[in-house]
Amino acid sequence: DAMVIQNPRYQVTQFGKPVTLSCSQTLNHNVMYWYQQKSSQAPKLLFHYYDKDFNNEADTPDNFQSRRPNTSFCFLDIRSPGLGDAAMYLCATSSWTGGYEQYFGPGTRLTVT
Amino acid sequence: DAKTTQPTSMDCAEGRAANLPCNHSTISGNEYVYWYRQIHSQGPQYIIHGLKNNETNEMASLIITEDRKSSTLILPHATLRDTAVYYCIVRNNAGNMLTFGGGTRLMVKP
Repeated sequence: DAMVIQNPRYQVTQFGKPVTLSCSQTLNHNVMYWYQQKSSQAPKLLFHYYDKDFNNEADTPDNFQSRRPNTSFCFLDIRSPGLGDAAMYLCATSSWTGGYEQYFGPGTRLTVT
Repeated sequence: DAKTTQPTSMDCAEGRAANLPCNHSTISGNEYVYWYRQIHSQGPQYIIHGLKNNETNEMASLIITEDRKSSTLILPHATLRDTAVYYCIVRNNAGNMLTFGGGTRLMVKP
């Protein structure tokens, strides 16, 4: 089945040690998103790509970066994770044409020790 | 995008209809009402959306009031697997962004 895949599902990193989270999609959607969801809170958009155009939310910390080497893959890089960056990170996709619903992956739960 | 107000939590008996309300009194004419849900430890899942007419699909029905200031998501026969947080989101289709509010935690009980 076509889907949004996130690897790994659980990631543990040390304080200050760079970490990369991965997302891939088989839907051939041109828009990809990264959300951060802290415990008991709603998902919060960090940034999104429309094709290769990168769009950063105004309040996304500089510590968070993203790369999209091709249509199928998108990466979230956290340069120097702090304890406050522990969260679930959700990747989503949507198509600019047709329906505008977003399709979410299962998320990667990041723990910072 | 317009803000939404939802009850924090609701209970529903298994097999009964679950009616989840959402207030969006500041909605503007080109804004749609979207519903997503998030089952524990999973990513959000799209349910349904509408502009002003009532909508129905295999998952749920969406009833939007005539003045569009509120809406109700209806799960006609709730099951235990429908236990989740349900998010009502209002946005226009000029952009793809979703702004999630607090949502309603629906607990379906046997």
